[in-house]
Amino acid sequence: GENVEQHPSTLSVQEGDSAVIKCTYSDSASNYFPWYKQELGKRPQLIIDIRSNVGEKKDQRIAVTLNKTAKHFSLHITETQPEDSAVYFCAAPADKLIFGTGTRLQVFP
Amino acid sequence: NAGVMQNPRHLVRRRGQEARLRCSPMKGHSHVYWYRQLPEEGLKFMVYLQKENIIDESGMPKERFSAEFPKEGPSILRIQQVVRGDSAAYFCASSVSTGTTAGELFFGEGSRLTVL
Repeated sequence: GENVEQHPSTLSVQEGDSAVIKCTYSDSASNYFPWYKQELGKRPQLIIDIRSNVGEKKDQRIAVTLNKTAKHFSLHITETQPEDSAVYFCAAPADKLIFGTGTRLQVFP
Repeated sequence: NAGVMQNPRHLVRRRGQEARLRCSPMKGHSHVYWYRQLPEEGLKFMVYLQKENIIDESGMPKERFSAEFPKEGPSILRIQQVVRGDSAAYFCASSVSTGTTAGELFFGEGSRLTVL
């Protein structure tokens, strides 16, 4: 079955700096890779996703890159703000989404 | 279009009691997933259902846990004889499609179970 590994588990950055979170997956048949953001006490919400027919996708300060050969994908947040502080989860599909273990991002003003 | 609705939002049970968690998927979604999140941990897949069918229950403990998604009404996750280790947030999610062409999962607000 699909196995998803996510690094780092915690990440602290200064406001305005960039943050990068990386994930690897095992099932070469996977072709959909979402990133979810979960604020404290709230539900996970999709922030960006990418399908395997593209290598990069951007949405304002957020971008995701995908390397299908190496089976890894990354989330990039530029110009971080305190409201970006949350736990971020990557995921890859089997017949259901398998989530990474999460990265707790703290952005200090 | 209402989102994924879960109830109760908070549930307190004593050891040995039963917990029933309900989930109504988004309108037009026929795929329902249950995930468990222990404090400070990630989202662990439990079970995937379509109407009247359990498609994948590989993440669900063999004993005390069961799930259903009847033809009419919400999906129900049932935990019998709860123990303290069952204390967690249980998230339901729904989607239009699945598999390796999986689309976005829409999550409910979660049901937070506390076992005393």
